[in-house]
Amino acid sequence: QQPVQSPQAVILREGEDAVINCSSSKALYSVHWYRQKHGEAPVFLMILLKGGEQKGHEKISASFNEKKQQSSLYLTASQLSYSGTYFCGTATIYGQNFVFGPGTRLSVLP
Amino acid sequence: EAQVTQNPRYLITVTGKKLTVTCSQNMNHEYMSWYRQDPGLGLRQIYYSMNVEVTDKGDVPEGYKVSRKEKRNFPLILESPSPNQTSLYFCASSLGEGGRYGYTFGSGTRLTVV
Repeated sequence: QQPVQSPQAVILREGEDAVINCSSSKALYSVHWYRQKHGEAPVFLMILLKGGEQKGHEKISASFNEKKQQSSLYLTASQLSYSGTYFCGTATIYGQNFVFGPGTRLSVLP
Repeated sequence: EAQVTQNPRYLITVTGKKLTVTCSQNMNHEYMSWYRQDPGLGLRQIYYSMNVEVTDKGDVPEGYKVSRKEKRNFPLILESPSPNQTSLYFCASSLGEGGRYGYTFGSGTRLTVV
């Protein structure tokens, strides 16, 4: 039931781009994205609802393909502050059964 | 400032000594939830509450209790803590039922049971 995230970890240089994927075996109502820095609480980035939408948050954007039950988080021109672990969270129909993915560790180096 | 406040931040206790971790939110959120975070296991839900006096089990409820007597507060109770409950705990709240709205997390409580 837990969504699958890929890759498990990624290392970038400042200014490079990254894509983090989240997929589920179940039909999804919504996908959330959170970032957690070491020793801190997860911080909500964005939510995508059923309907195939795409959203943006500064240089971080995401897409949701409900037919494939997949979401992707796009980080463009990465900054040092983007380092952390990114979690997706998925909910099935009507917002039930919300569960977090295992996380993707992103490291941005100078 | 809109926030979820958890206390304490750090707690070391002995096996079997009852403890309570408090959680309070000032955003008038209906939905509140407790998670534990363990290396390699991610964030797992312990209990959640959709409104006052309405609580339900999450994925890992054994050994925990909760109550929701007021909308803003959602304490987590460990009546007889054991070493396998050593973990990082997060309280979270949202406008409504899980999945429809984003979560705001508290700063976390690192619990060690010896």
